[in-house]
Order: sequence, then C-alpha cells, then structure tokens
Amino acid sequence: AQRVTQPEKLLSVFKGAPVELKCNYSYSGSPELFWYVQYSRQRLQLLLRHISRESIKGFTADLNKGETSFHLKKPFAQEEDSAMYYCALIGSGGGADGLTFGKGTHLIIQP
Amino acid sequence: EAGVAQSPRYKIIEKRQSVAFWCNPISGHATLYWYQQILGQGPKLLIQFQNNGVVDDSQLPKDRFSAERLKGVDSTLKIQPAKLEDSAVYLCASSRISITGPDVWANVLTFGAGSRLTVL
Repeated sequence: AQRVTQPEKLLSVFKGAPVELKCNYSYSGSPELFWYVQYSRQRLQLLLRHISRESIKGFTADLNKGETSFHLKKPFAQEEDSAMYYCALIGSGGGADGLTFGKGTHLIIQP
Repeated sequence: EAGVAQSPRYKIIEKRQSVAFWCNPISGHATLYWYQQILGQGPKLLIQFQNNGVVDDSQLPKDRFSAERLKGVDSTLKIQPAKLEDSAVYLCASSRISITGPDVWANVLTFGAGSRLTVL
C-alpha cells in the first residue's frame, strides 16, 4: 500500500529564514509526487509536482528515490507562505488508489 | 474556467440522520473524487469515478456511505445513518482525463471548497 509521511505537524520559522518541509513516501513502484497547499480560508490547491521540475513561489522539491523523500524547500521564507502543506503521491499503476495525502504540516512564518 | 462547485458548505445534523452532498466538477473533467478530511488529518480518498463508473471505492464505508455520478458529470455523496465520527470536511475534486491517459495534467486534482459536516 502507498503511504506518505510528514513527520512535522507544525513548523515555525522566522521571515527570511530557510524552510524545509519533510516528506517521505512508501511505494514499491515509481510514483508521482506532489505538494498541495491550503492557505487560510482558501481551497486546497496544487503547489508543485516533481515531474515539472519547476520552482513555484520560490519553492522547490526534489524527488530522492534512494531515500524515498520529496522534501519541500525555500531559501527565504515570506509571511505569505504561512499555510497547511500536504505532500501527496499517486502510484504508477494507474492511480487506482487515487491521490494519497500525508497528514500535513502547518507552516507558520513569524515576522 | 469555473472551479469545482460543492454544496452545502456547512451542515449540522444529529447522529442517525442522513445527509447528502453535491459536487459539480470542472467542465470536461472525466475523473471525480470524494475525499474525507477529518480535523488534523490529510484528505482520505473515499471514492473515485471515471465518467459514470467507479474506479476505486475501497475506503468507502458502504454500510452507510453511497455515491453516484449517474450522467458522468455531477455527483452526490450520501451518508445514512450518520455517526459522530463522520464529522469532517468532505472534499470533491476533479481531474482532466483518465489517470491512465497520456495527458500530463491527468494526475493534477482541482478541489472544491468542501462541505463541512458536524454530527451531534
């Protein structure tokens, strides 16, 4: 079964400091990994996906198959980054299990 | 494009009552999902439709939950009878085409605002 683990329930950093939100996954094949974000009073929305290899709002994430990780990073945090962040996985077998989410990390950026 | 529409936004019922949630996905999205998000947890997939067929409902408590997507467009999720532990936000999402298709956007889900259920 596929599983996503986000070990930090809450992460608080100061504005301008680097941010790293951890995500580890368990899947026997080649998954597709995503980060979704939910800002206060807004809908859950896609932040980035590993196949795009792009930076969104200054965030990047690299898929490390050896460590089965997909950590989200940003070099300089901004107050508007405060939100709930969910790591998610979909299997290569056609996604019959749908998109599996981690429990989420609440990121708070302090001024 | 218009987003995923859900209603009602909030519902409070007593245990053993029934409730229904409605979802209208983005036009042209073949795949529709219902997720349950309990406070403090990530969303959990309840059921996935492709057009009007069920792809996966392995985590749907079928003794009390049911869902349909009769014409392959909008969908309803019903709970009958409700239990206290059903208190959660019910999220509907849709994606462009079948996840087995070649479209690179096939696995990207667009979510609705959710329906918050409180069971007393």
